[in-house]
Amino acid sequence: AQSVAQPEDQVNVAEGNPLTVKCTYSVSGNPYLFWYVQYPNRGLQFLLKYITGDNLVKGSYGFEAEFNKSQTSFHLKKPSALVSDSALYFCAVRDMRGGFKTIFGAGTRLFVKA
Amino acid sequence: DTGVSQNPRHKITKRGQNVTFRCDPISEHNRLYWYRQTLGQGPEFLTYFQNEAQLEKSRLLSDRFSAERPKGSFSTLEIQRTEQGDSAMYLCASSSRESVATNEKLFFGSGTQLSVL
Repeated sequence: AQSVAQPEDQVNVAEGNPLTVKCTYSVSGNPYLFWYVQYPNRGLQFLLKYITGDNLVKGSYGFEAEFNKSQTSFHLKKPSALVSDSALYFCAVRDMRGGFKTIFGAGTRLFVKA
Repeated sequence: DTGVSQNPRHKITKRGQNVTFRCDPISEHNRLYWYRQTLGQGPEFLTYFQNEAQLEKSRLLSDRFSAERPKGSFSTLEIQRTEQGDSAMYLCASSSRESVATNEKLFFGSGTQLSVL
């Protein structure tokens, strides 16, 4: 069965500093990996995905994520955080082998302080 | 691209009543998903449609839940004999039928918030 773990309920970072939001996954086959963001009173929005190819993927709003197969991780990163990045971030995985469901982690709240 | 539309935005009902939610996906998307989200949790998969066919359904979905997508366009999710534990945000998402590179990206609606009293 596929699963996603986001070990941190909340990440606090000062504006201008780099940020990392952690994610590890478990699938039986090869994974499709995703990050989504949820702003207050708004729907989930796609940020980026890893399907195949380069382990470092770039997404919206300056975010990037690195796929690490040996550590089964897909951490979200940004070199310089903005106050406007404060939101709820979800890591998600889909097993390439079969099934159509994308499984989401419990979410990590990012708080960027000015 | 008008986005995924869900109605109603909010629904308050009494325990034991039936409720129905509607989702209108992005028009060219053939894949449609229903998820449920409770406070402090990530979206939980409920069911998946490809065109009008319901291809996957979560084991967590009890017999009181049913979903349809009769013409492969809009979808409805019905909950019969609602219970307080059904209170949650019900999310609909759709994705494209184009290449693998594009059809894995989910577009979510704003959700229907259900409160069962």
